[in-house]
This record gives sequence, structure tokens and C-alpha cells, in this order.
Amino acid sequence: QTVVTQEPSLTVSPGGTVTLTCASSTGAVTSGYYPNWFQQKPGQAPRALIYSTSNKHSWTPARFSGSLLGGKAALTLSGVQPEDEAEYYCLLYHGGILSWVFGGGTKLTVL
Amino acid sequence: EVQLVESGGGLVQPGGSLRLSCAASGFTFSSFWMTWVRQAPGKGLEWVANIKQDGSEKYYVDYVKGRFTISRDNTKNSLYLQMNSLRVDDTAVYFCARHHDWAFGYWGQGTLVTVSS
Repeated sequence: QTVVTQEPSLTVSPGGTVTLTCASSTGAVTSGYYPNWFQQKPGQAPRALIYSTSNKHSWTPARFSGSLLGGKAALTLSGVQPEDEAEYYCLLYHGGILSWVFGGGTKLTVL
Repeated sequence: EVQLVESGGGLVQPGGSLRLSCAASGFTFSSFWMTWVRQAPGKGLEWVANIKQDGSEKYYVDYVKGRFTISRDNTKNSLYLQMNSLRVDDTAVYFCARHHDWAFGYWGQGTLVTVSS
């Protein structure tokens, strides 16, 4: 069974920088996993932030960026705002019948 | 404006069936893969199934195979999820999402399915 692992929780100060990571039990994450990142606040649907590793949607704030880092997908928030407090999920493509797998989510606290 | 509106959720007994719908508007529905994602109460997101533009390819997460069927009607701009043999652990909010160029940019607000006796 494929498992995608994220940090359960992270804390960052307003204005700071934080990096969230996303690892696959199948091995190093590459661009071929087409990493996606989503933000979800309580009671809301997920909001797409990043696709195909580093591409932003038209609504994605500039302070969010995606990359590959040390065999993992990464989401970096620079100049964190209080409204960035949320749960963040990554999504990786594992090909064919394995298709797509979400990470367990990272709860980001801003304080 | 892209809109996805799910419906069909509700309370069902274990072993029962339910059919979810997702009404799409604001884009050419027949040009996009579509996906169902679910979220159990207090838990993370879980990819459930997706379907190609013409319905010729469908993929499912292992534990719904044989029980759930994804389908679409491009003439009605609608996506469906037929759920049979429902289990208590199928209880979740079910979201539909548009899938394009390896991105899942647009999501509906979800519909709650509760499986309980």
C-alpha cells in the first residue's frame, strides 16, 4: 500500500518562512509524480495552490511556492500571514491503477 | 465561472446504496477528466476515483473497487458516483473536482454521506 507522508504539524511566526514536505513510500518524489498542494480551512472545500511541482493557479498568492527538495515535494510559504493558518495537503500521482494518493496533511499554525 | 455542485448525500444503512451527482457549469464539461475525493469526519482527504473525458477510462482506490462506480453524462454536464454495499467507514463528505493538465483546480463544496444503522 502506497503511503504519502507529511509533517503532522508545523508552527511559524507571522512574517516567517516555513517549508512543508511530502514523501512517498515508493521512493524519491520526482516531477513525474506531478505534486499538487491544497489548502483547507475548517468547514471549507480544499483550495488548489500548486500543481505539477511548482505551477501556481491564477489565484495562488505569490508567497506560496512549490519545489522538489531532497527527494520530496515541498511547499514553501514566505512572509506567512495569519490567514495562512490551515491544513495543507499534498497529492501525488503514482501511475496507472495506483493513480493518485493524498498525504495525511500538515496542520500549520501561525503564532 | 466554473461551478461544481454535489448532491445526493444523506443517511443510509450499512449495506445500502446511494448515488451522488455533481452538476458542472461554466466550462466545457466533456473536455475534462473528473474526480471524486472524500473526507471522513476529522480526517484527511482521500482520492476515490476519476474518469476520462469520454468515460473510456476509470480508476478507483482499492477499497471501493467493486462497490463504487464512477460515470458521467456529458449531455447533462454531470458526474456521478454510484455507491453500493456501503460501510460505516464510507461516511465522509464527498467532493467532486475538475482535473486538467495534472491539476485539480476546481472543487465543489461537497455532500455528506452518513452510513449508520
